Amino acid sequence: EIVLTQSPGTLSLSPGERATLSCRASQSVSSSYLAWYQQKPGQAPRLIYGASSRATGIPDRFSGSGSGTDFTLTISRLEPEDFAVYYCQHYGSSPFTFGPGTKVDIK
Amino acid sequence: EAQLLESGGGLVQPGGSLRLSCAASGFTFSNYAMGWVRQAPGKGLEWVSSISGSGSGTNYADSVKGRFTISRDNSKNTLYLQMSSLRAEDAAVYYCVKGETSGWFPWGQGTLVTVSS
Repeated sequence: EIVLTQSPGTLSLSPGERATLSCRASQSVSSSYLAWYQQKPGQAPRLIYGASSRATGIPDRFSGSGSGTDFTLTISRLEPEDFAVYYCQHYGSSPFTFGPGTKVDIK
Repeated sequence: EAQLLESGGGLVQPGGSLRLSCAASGFTFSNYAMGWVRQAPGKGLEWVSSISGSGSGTNYADSVKGRFTISRDNSKNTLYLQMSSLRAEDAAVYYCVKGETSGWFPWGQGTLVTVSS
């Protein structure tokens, strides 16, 4: 089973700042099957980034990078609506595990 | 636009059973793998089970293997999760998701399962 570790657990930033979220896998994961999801309180998660590209309708301030065991989601300039919890997930082969999440909150 | 709508959640006693349903619309249901993801209160996301478009292939998390059964009716555009021998730790919001090569989307709004005596 591939275990995903996310860091930091919480990221406290101000609007306009850059956010860098890390996802590390216990073994190599294809970037084609690594996704990032955003979840706001009381809402279902939504796909932000997957298979090395932004999901439909996601603004270009969100970008993803990485390969092998280290992946990064970057939000270039935080907007008020970006404060949320972000999860990474690998979905190439079962079990399709999620990381524990990184909470991006307002400083 | 693809949409997913879960139903069937509720209060069940430990050891009991419940069947969740997910009605899909806006896409050719049989062309896509589908899955269930759950989230216990205040916790992170946990993949539960997935099924291929034809229904011939299924996968389960170890935590539910032997107790939960995923199935689909492509004629009704509906995904199911039959849950039995429910435990307190199965209490969660259960989300239905559509599997794409670029990630899982959309997600339904979720249905709450409470396990308590």
